[in-house]
Amino acid sequence: EDQVTQSPEALRLQEGESSSLNCSYTVSGLRGLFWYRQDPGKGPEFLFTLYSAGEEKEKERLKATLTKKESFLHITAPKPEDSATYLCAVRNYGQNFVFGPGTRLSVLP
Amino acid sequence: DAGVTQSPTHLIKTRGQQVTLRCSPKSGHDTVSWYQQALGQGPQFIFQYYEEEERQRGNFPDRFSGHQFPNYSSELNVNALLLGDSALYLCASSFGTGEETQYFGPGTRLLVL
Repeated sequence: EDQVTQSPEALRLQEGESSSLNCSYTVSGLRGLFWYRQDPGKGPEFLFTLYSAGEEKEKERLKATLTKKESFLHITAPKPEDSATYLCAVRNYGQNFVFGPGTRLSVLP
Repeated sequence: DAGVTQSPTHLIKTRGQQVTLRCSPKSGHDTVSWYQQALGQGPQFIFQYYEEEERQRGNFPDRFSGHQFPNYSSELNVNALLLGDSALYLCASSFGTGEETQYFGPGTRLLVL
């Protein structure tokens, strides 16, 4: 069965303190790994899609990387507005999206 | 360019009732997927509609049903509501059923009393 786990469950950082979020997955044929940001009570906002091991994508203070078993979301010099839940999802050959539980990030000023 | 829209934003129902949620996809998208997100959890896939047919279904009972209209908009119907159906219901749209990224709407918050 396809599965996605994320760690840590919650993370508190001081403004400017860089860190990484982890997404580990087992999937029957990866058709893409997706990162989303979700603010409380709102729908997930698309960040990145990664398709193959070794691929990297960047957007402002965020950088996503992918290996055969996991993905990392690196946050460089975070700001309070980066506080949100970060969701990882994989798409399998059945075209379904399987989401992880998310990592709740708090960035303190 | 309008993104994915959903209605209503909030809804309160009692056990045993039926509910219909609505979704309009992002302009240019023809595929709609529905998700249930319980508090503190990631979204769980309910089903996907493409060309007015249900193409994929997650592990949800038959009480959950849907429909897609010729203009690509979609409805999610839930019958015989249970307390455990309280959740944020998310609609996501994409183009085709290939590897395109899904874009999410703001969700409908359903509370079952």
